[in-house]
Amino acid sequence: AQSVAQPEDQVNVAEGNPLTVKCTYSVSGNPYLFWYVQYPNRGLQFLLKYITGDNLVKGSYGFEAEFNKSQTSFHLKKPSALVSDSALYFCAVRDIRNTDKLIFGTGTRLQVFP
Amino acid sequence: DAGVIQSPRHEVTEMGQEVTLRCKPISGHNSLFWYRQTMMRGLELLIYFNNNVPIDDSGMPEDRFSAKMPNASFSTLKIQPSEPRDSAVYFCASSPDSPRGYTFGSGTRLTVV
Repeated sequence: AQSVAQPEDQVNVAEGNPLTVKCTYSVSGNPYLFWYVQYPNRGLQFLLKYITGDNLVKGSYGFEAEFNKSQTSFHLKKPSALVSDSALYFCAVRDIRNTDKLIFGTGTRLQVFP
Repeated sequence: DAGVIQSPRHEVTEMGQEVTLRCKPISGHNSLFWYRQTMMRGLELLIYFNNNVPIDDSGMPEDRFSAKMPNASFSTLKIQPSEPRDSAVYFCASSPDSPRGYTFGSGTRLTVV
């Protein structure tokens, strides 16, 4: 079955330190992968996507994600965290059986401490 | 572009009442999705439409829930009768042809008392 897994419910990091939010996927064929962010009382916002090409994808707000086929991972990263990055982050993969549809992970809450 | 527009932003209703949530997708987007988000269950896909046709409604919890998309610019999610366990944030999202991803609305926070 197709799925994405976000193994950490919460990630805590100090402001200025690098951050990583983990995502692994399970899908046959070439995956289309996405990251979304949800700030309090808001809808999910698109951050970045991997379709093909370079394994390092750059997105909004200084975030980037690295596609690793051998490890079936698509971890979200940022070199220097800001307090304002504190939010809920969702990884998603396109459903290969129904390509209109995204399969979302359970979300990881990122808390950046000053 | 105003994005995906949902109304109302907040709804408080009494158990047993009918509730209708509304969504206006981005013009030109041909897929529309309804999600429900709760602390306990996370983000759940309820139903989605492609070119105004319901494609997958397997996530609709029970017959009390129904959704329509009478045209490309409008969709409704109706709960009749509502129950306290329906309290959640309901999101609408729209998407052009894949794989460009979704644009979400700001959500409707529903409280059933």
